[in-house]
Amino acid sequence: DIVMTQSPDSLAVSLGERATINCKSSQSVLYNSNKKNYLAWYQQKPGQPPKLLIYWASTRESGVPDRFSGSGSGTDFTLTISSLQAEDVAVYYCQHYYSTPPTFGGGTKVEIK
Amino acid sequence: EVQLVESGGGLVQPGGSLRLSCAASGFTFSSYWMHWVRQAPGKGLMWVSRINSDGRSFTYADSVRGRFTISRDNAKNTLHLQMTSLRDEDTAVYYCVRDLGLVATDCFDYWGQGTLVTVSS
Repeated sequence: DIVMTQSPDSLAVSLGERATINCKSSQSVLYNSNKKNYLAWYQQKPGQPPKLLIYWASTRESGVPDRFSGSGSGTDFTLTISSLQAEDVAVYYCQHYYSTPPTFGGGTKVEIK
Repeated sequence: EVQLVESGGGLVQPGGSLRLSCAASGFTFSSYWMHWVRQAPGKGLMWVSRINSDGRSFTYADSVRGRFTISRDNAKNTLHLQMTSLRDEDTAVYYCVRDLGLVATDCFDYWGQGTLVTVSS
């Protein structure tokens, strides 16, 4: 199975500042045939199910604010919140879908400083 | 509006069985692969199983293979998960989840609110 490792486990950021979350996969999730990275990001607020933010490593899901962006390729990926808002307090998970089973990172908790 | 509503969770003793259901609406259910994903209390996410659009192909996580059975009824827009030989470590919120693509991607674009399964004596 591909192991997904997120860092940090938690971070506190001031309102309006940038938040950066890292995700590393134990093997590449880039398919050479289509040049796509099989990597997604989810946001989970307390008491709610996860919500898809980003797929194909950098494609924003419909309705997701453009302050959320994804980048990276191969084994190293980043989710950036360019200007943290109060409603962004949540746990963020990366997930690969390159092979079976799809697996998730351990999560990164984002709080307001 | 896409809606996925799970039911069937509850308290069950180790070794017992439970059947979860998920009622889907707001999209053409029979066109999409569907999944179950679970989350133990205070923990992360784990994919459990997937089923293809016509219900003839299914895959399971190693930890549940042979104990869990996924199925669907496209006439009733319903997804099921039959769970047997339940263990303490199966305690979790179980989410019914839609696949992002009409061809399976294992990326999940819509999630239900979840149903809690507690395995305890």
